[in-house]
Amino acid sequence: KNQVEQSPQSLIILEGKNCTLQCNYTVSPFSNLRWYKQDTGRGPVSLTIMTFSENTKSNGRYTATLDADTKQSSLHITASQLSDSASYICVVSGSGSARQLTFGSGTQLTVLP
Amino acid sequence: NAGVTQTPKFRILKIGQSMTLQCAQDMNHNYMYWYRQDPGMGLKLIYYSVGAGITDKGEVPNGYNVSRSTTEDFPLRLELAAPSQTSVYFCASSPPEGAPTDTQYFGPGTRLTVL
Repeated sequence: KNQVEQSPQSLIILEGKNCTLQCNYTVSPFSNLRWYKQDTGRGPVSLTIMTFSENTKSNGRYTATLDADTKQSSLHITASQLSDSASYICVVSGSGSARQLTFGSGTQLTVLP
Repeated sequence: NAGVTQTPKFRILKIGQSMTLQCAQDMNHNYMYWYRQDPGMGLKLIYYSVGAGITDKGEVPNGYNVSRSTTEDFPLRLELAAPSQTSVYFCASSPPEGAPTDTQYFGPGTRLTVL
């Protein structure tokens, strides 16, 4: 069964600090992996997307890495801001089809002043 | 562009009632989706559509129906609401497969409670 596991479930950090969120998946075959940010009461918004051949991608202060051999991804947030407080969701596509996505349950990040 | 819009934002239903969740997008996307998000769980696909007149079941379709008469609109119908359908419902759309981004764009969600 395709699964996406994220850790930690929740994380609290102080403003300005860095943090790393983890995503392990068992989806096969693998097509691409996305990270979404979901603010409270809003829909998810895409941060990055990586295919099999990509092992790092940045979007401002967000840097995602992918190790397709170990089936692991991480999202690193640099110099956190209060606005980074949100749920971060890892989503894996097993077939390249947007219809067949496996969603992780998310990491709830809280950034405190 | 307004993107993906959903109405209503909140709704409380009694067991056995029915309702339609509305979803519209103005990005001319062919693909549209309905998900539900339960607390502490990943999003689950209910139904999706690859274009007007074409719909198909996702992972958790029981208790729901959809239609797609236009490219813009993709309503989700709940018949005989049950407490197990208490959830947050998200509509999403995406360009046709093979587009460079192949990213889904989500609406703001509808929070539904069935009592």
